[in-house]
Amino acid sequence: DAEITQSPRHKITETGRQVTLACHQTWNHNNMFWYRQDLGHGLRLIHYSYGVQDTNKGEVSDGYSVSRSNTEDLPLTLESAASSQTSVYFCASSAGSLGNEQFFGPGTRLTVL
Amino acid sequence: EDKVVQSPLSLVVHEGDTVTLNCSYEVTNFRSLLWYKQEKKAPTFLFMLTSSGIEKKSGRLSSILDKKELSSILNITATQTGDSAIYLCAVPPSGYALNFGKGTSLLVTP
Repeated sequence: DAEITQSPRHKITETGRQVTLACHQTWNHNNMFWYRQDLGHGLRLIHYSYGVQDTNKGEVSDGYSVSRSNTEDLPLTLESAASSQTSVYFCASSAGSLGNEQFFGPGTRLTVL
Repeated sequence: EDKVVQSPLSLVVHEGDTVTLNCSYEVTNFRSLLWYKQEKKAPTFLFMLTSSGIEKKSGRLSSILDKKELSSILNITATQTGDSAIYLCAVPPSGYALNFGKGTSLLVTP
C-alpha cells in the first residue's frame, strides 16, 4: 500500500545545530508539503513543492529550507536550530489533479534545547 | 488576507449528543473546503466540499458548505468516545497548499 513516512519520529537537538527531517512518499504524488503544528496556532505551512526541482516558501519559512531531487522525497532542513522551532512537524502529499486532498505522514516531534 | 476561523475552539459533550462544528473562511478564489480529523497522530481526511458538492455524509458525520455565508458546518450525531479528536478545517488559498484553521478540540465523555 502507498504511504508517507517521516523520520525520525522524535528528535532532541541543541540550539545552533543543523537538523534534517526526512519525508518519503510512495503515492507518486507531485505535490509535497511541510507543516508545523503548535498549540494555539494549528497547522502552518513551511515549504512546499509541486515537482522535482520546484520549491516554494510558505507562511513560516524563515530558518527552514527544502530541496526536491526526486518525486518521493522532500527533506526539511533547519539550518541553525532555535528553541522557537520546537514543534511537531508534518509532511503531506497530494496528487493535485484529483483536488486538494492531502495525505499526512505520522509527524516528527522536534525539541530544540 | 486569506484566513480560516473555527469555532468553538473546544467542546465537551456526553456520549449520544449531537455536535455542530463551525468553520468560516475568507479566500480570494474559493475552490474547495476540507475537513480533517486529528487524534493523537496525523490528520486524516474526512470530507472535501466544493461549489458542485456542497453536502457530504459518511455514517454519523455530515458536512454542509454555505457559499453565501462563506462557512461550513460539520455535524456529528450520536457521538461516541472515539469521536474525541481535533477537527480541522482548511481551504486552499491558491495552488495546492492548504490554509488551516486552529481546529476544534472535541471531547466526548462516557
